[in-house]
Amino acid sequence: EVQMVESGGGLVQPGGSLRLSCAASGFTFSSYWMSWVRQAPGKGLEWVVNIKYDGSEKYYVDSVKGRFTISRDNAKNSVYLQMNSLRGEDTAVYYCARFLSSGSYYDHWGQGTLVTVSS
Amino acid sequence: DIVMTQSPDSLAVSLGERATINCKSSQSVLSRSNNQNYLAWYQQKPGQPPKLLIYWASTRESGVPDRFSGSGSGTDFTLTISSLQAEDVAVYYCQQYYSTSFTFGPGTKVDIK
Repeated sequence: EVQMVESGGGLVQPGGSLRLSCAASGFTFSSYWMSWVRQAPGKGLEWVVNIKYDGSEKYYVDSVKGRFTISRDNAKNSVYLQMNSLRGEDTAVYYCARFLSSGSYYDHWGQGTLVTVSS
Repeated sequence: DIVMTQSPDSLAVSLGERATINCKSSQSVLSRSNNQNYLAWYQQKPGQPPKLLIYWASTRESGVPDRFSGSGSGTDFTLTISSLQAEDVAVYYCQQYYSTSFTFGPGTKVDIK
């Protein structure tokens, strides 16, 4: 069974940092692109970042460029999101999701982890 | 970036009736190389992650009831629920995966009238 479990969310002050993790199982992780998608409370879905299956390509939404960094460890079947200089508008549930190739759709999502940026 | 819009923002439909959701992209998501539309539809129920319903604009994901169908090409797309069931109450999102920067529509909330 395909599973993706996010962790690392929590309450952080503005300007602070947080590292999210997504542990995958039940599929060949190293064959899939991975994404982080977020959803602010009561709002819609916002794509944040993609990483290629081998980590060689990364694409970010403009609002997080220079602040967030995605990485992956295929040996640990995990993808990470390092979030620095956090702002109130980064408050959201962060989902990891997989897609098979560049130009493909999300066929599985994790359950999400909540990040709250507040003083 | 490709901007996705949806209409209506919300709709209420009687059980057994048809629900139609529209999605428009700011530029074509039709690939000339493979004649595929890089457009997906997702369903999200409260407290749950999104669930894939339709990809390539009209291909139903395995296990998705056949009352859900997708149509359209280029910049204009439609998700149709042919006979609304109580379990279809949710927010529906379209998403383009044509560019390396994905974008979602703002969502359409579907309720029972």
